[in-house]
Amino acid sequence: QQQVKQSPQSLIVQKGGIPIINCAYENTAFDYFPWYQQFPGKGPALLIAIRPDVSEKKEGRFTISFNKSAKQFSLHIMDSQPGDSATYFCAASDESAGGTSYGKLTFGQGTILTVHP
Amino acid sequence: DAGVTQSPTHLIKTRGQHVTLRCSPISGHKSVSWYQQVLGQGPQFIFQYYEKEERGRGNFPDRFSARQFPNYSSELNVNALLLGDSALYLCASTRTGGHQPQHFGDGTRLSIL
Repeated sequence: QQQVKQSPQSLIVQKGGIPIINCAYENTAFDYFPWYQQFPGKGPALLIAIRPDVSEKKEGRFTISFNKSAKQFSLHIMDSQPGDSATYFCAASDESAGGTSYGKLTFGQGTILTVHP
Repeated sequence: DAGVTQSPTHLIKTRGQHVTLRCSPISGHKSVSWYQQVLGQGPQFIFQYYEKEERGRGNFPDRFSARQFPNYSSELNVNALLLGDSALYLCASTRTGGHQPQHFGDGTRLSIL
């Protein structure tokens, strides 16, 4: 119930394309959903995050769509560029969790995105 | 301002040894979390510390321990190292505890021979 399932494992698009990465969760207590971008040799960097009270959030070329009833959320990257080539992780947490789950982010397995010039 | 800094960047140990990894949070941040990232997978939560107390703990054996110092820096200790402990160990900081946006360092790459 604590898992976050992410797909696809890898994705190749041409420059200007719109890659879409999907995540699904089971724990209905999750109420904070961030996306992270990770380049080789670097730590994950926070891109954008959403809470269940909104269905969509945009920041620059990055858009999160959220479907609470389906327990799914996705990341869209508009006008993708070769510099966007990286591994993307979705994550989820229960902000009211206490005990051992306090502060815990549960990550998906990651999607390796390649944007060809 | 400097981001989260971790040391060392790389470390090679042999089975059975112990290791200490260090993390300095962003200035003004009082909480530190530790994650283990095995190659090809997402990070797995190990601990969160806030105001020098353990607040959260993931599903890791007692060989893993941590502490936070008065200046909010933190150490992760792993005893009796196993081959399976080979991973990237990430530290993240937040201004206060809980689920505020977590900002990650670049990690320590630990290799066990």
